[in-house]
Amino acid sequence: KAGVTQTPRYLIKTRGQQVTLSCSPISGHRSVSWYQQTPGQGLQFLFEYFSETQRNKGNFPGRFSGRQFSNSRSEMNVSTLELGDSALYLCASSLFPGEETEAFFGQGTRLTVV
Amino acid sequence: SQQGEEDPQALSIQEGENATMNCSYKTSINNLQWYRQNSGRGLVHLILIRSNEREKHSGRLRVTLDTSKKSSSLLITASRAADTASYFCATDANTGNQFYFGTGTSLTVIP
Repeated sequence: KAGVTQTPRYLIKTRGQQVTLSCSPISGHRSVSWYQQTPGQGLQFLFEYFSETQRNKGNFPGRFSGRQFSNSRSEMNVSTLELGDSALYLCASSLFPGEETEAFFGQGTRLTVV
Repeated sequence: SQQGEEDPQALSIQEGENATMNCSYKTSINNLQWYRQNSGRGLVHLILIRSNEREKHSGRLRVTLDTSKKSSSLLITASRAADTASYFCATDANTGNQFYFGTGTSLTVIP
């Protein structure tokens, strides 16, 4: 069974640009969540989607948005990029949101803003 | 803000020794999961322990959970150089897949 797939793996963007990252969950998984990892802040929750609906959102500005499609694939978008958005963006999938489900992560997208 | 804190921040041991890392958290949880991360790559799921469990084993891994102390520990026995990585604990926020991650323990296993 294929794991969580994130594309692209690496991305370099210029300040002010926008970027879209993609996440394909494990087949059959319907819950997708996104995290940002930086050396200073560690791993921080961005948002979570289930059945095309955003269930939770972390404490990030409105420049960060996401969506989930009917096939459970998810995208996140960051507009008006800032240098501080440089980070590893990780996507996690699980069968469904719940207290007893394991969450599996992709390899991440390394975004560098210059 | 992060809920969890791992201790120690860094650990260096010889191959074959055991490695123990601890995680403390602040609020009540449904479950706690441990992950491994190699050199800024993705997180690899190691083990999930539910709040009503006290101990769980998986291969060379042993996880304990003490909900009264709001703490968990991960023991890796007979460590190998390939175990060199950062280890994180993640606690659920009672709202699905929103997890709070600790600061991580950087483990170095010297061959």
